[in-house]
Amino acid sequence: GIQVEQSPPDLILQEGANSTLRCNFSDSVNNLQWFHQNPWGQLINLFYIPSGTKQNGRLSATTVATERYSLLYISSSQTTDSGVYFCAVSSSGTYKYIFGTGTRLKVLA
Amino acid sequence: EAQVTQNPRYLITVTGKKLTVTCSQNMNHEYMSWYRQDPGLGLRQIYYSMNVEVTDKGDVPEGYKVSRKEKRNFPLILESPSPNQTSLYFCASSLKGVQPQHFGDGTRLSIL
Repeated sequence: GIQVEQSPPDLILQEGANSTLRCNFSDSVNNLQWFHQNPWGQLINLFYIPSGTKQNGRLSATTVATERYSLLYISSSQTTDSGVYFCAVSSSGTYKYIFGTGTRLKVLA
Repeated sequence: EAQVTQNPRYLITVTGKKLTVTCSQNMNHEYMSWYRQDPGLGLRQIYYSMNVEVTDKGDVPEGYKVSRKEKRNFPLILESPSPNQTSLYFCASSLKGVQPQHFGDGTRLSIL
């Protein structure tokens, strides 16, 4: 089945810094989503981005489907950005989702 | 308010005692899904449903059952729970299978 790898596994930033999180996947996908799990355990959908680029405030994401990777950019990070960021994909032709193991981000004040 | 509601939020029970975790959504979504989250393993999909009476296995379906008799509800059934099913469980829904998913707040199950 499709494999999903996220990097880095852990990241510590000072407030105000920028960061890039990466998601690599091993096969073609019909769906890619980025989620943020906050320190209280809630999962929030950030982007639905099977291809192309999207922006939402300080966050943006780019998926290059032909090269099988997606990037999540966080600019001017804030302490509220702390938590775990997951990407999830579903292979073309299925509706079964595979999640990466996440990037744990800590933003220091 | 659009939401996915799971109940209970926390449950401690014993091996072999059947239990059901309910999931309900009020967004008229066709796609619903169950995941479990374990440390170091991320989220793994248990079962998903494309619509009423249409369900399929995810990556870790063993020991679980689901049913989708109504569009809004998608209960997760553990017929004979075992300690290795101790985990944090999430229900999610989306308009269609390849649309953004909305998650419930999670159910923490401990099976002794």
